[in-house]
Amino acid sequence: NSKVIQTPRYLVKGQGQKAKMRCIPEKGHPVVFWYQQNKNNEFKFLINFQNQEVLQQIDMTEKRFSAECPSNSPCSLEIQSSEAGDSALYLCASSLVGGNYAEQFFGPGTRLTVL
Amino acid sequence: GDSVTQTEGLVTLTKGLPVMLNCTYQTTYSPFLFWYVQHLNEAPKLLLKSSTDNKRTEHQGFYATLHKSSSSFHLQKSSVQLSDSALYFCALGTGGYKVVFGSGTRLLVSP
Repeated sequence: NSKVIQTPRYLVKGQGQKAKMRCIPEKGHPVVFWYQQNKNNEFKFLINFQNQEVLQQIDMTEKRFSAECPSNSPCSLEIQSSEAGDSALYLCASSLVGGNYAEQFFGPGTRLTVL
Repeated sequence: GDSVTQTEGLVTLTKGLPVMLNCTYQTTYSPFLFWYVQHLNEAPKLLLKSSTDNKRTEHQGFYATLHKSSSSFHLQKSSVQLSDSALYFCALGTGGYKVVFGSGTRLLVSP
């Protein structure tokens, strides 16, 4: 069973508020991914890290989202000013190696509702 | 760019019947294909993966064969169970860092 921990499981915010969620990757996994899963269950890749360095991120993430994976602390994803369209399940995944041929281990997600 | 297509949004079956969930992909790179399963309110978990052409891979009664000639990696099971009801995602890796997921197929198995 995956041991990726995500907190909180549920998050409710008003429009314009900050929303912050955290992820502890599986022990020994240097690579972390963040995905947004919408109400149609579609995955959108947001950003990934290897150790503390960003590997790739999409344009949306650069503008309204901030993310980090500091050493010896949980990774985090923060939406600076929440919008209704940000309501989704945010999934964190980790993997042992950096290539996208590797299995990703997912956490249970943080379900964000923006009112 | 790279893409994954899952043509069925919903598949409904009676238990004991066989199932095939379709997955095709597009890439100009050497592909790694995955099937992930997500049960209700649970995290997605890896079910199968393959990068070897024409070799069947199996796990928990599910199997799939990567066919590079047709860019396909269909998921099959000979006899579905109630516990197989879940969302199934096909995903593509191409040696970079980003994995591309298909839109998912919901499998509903009835008694």
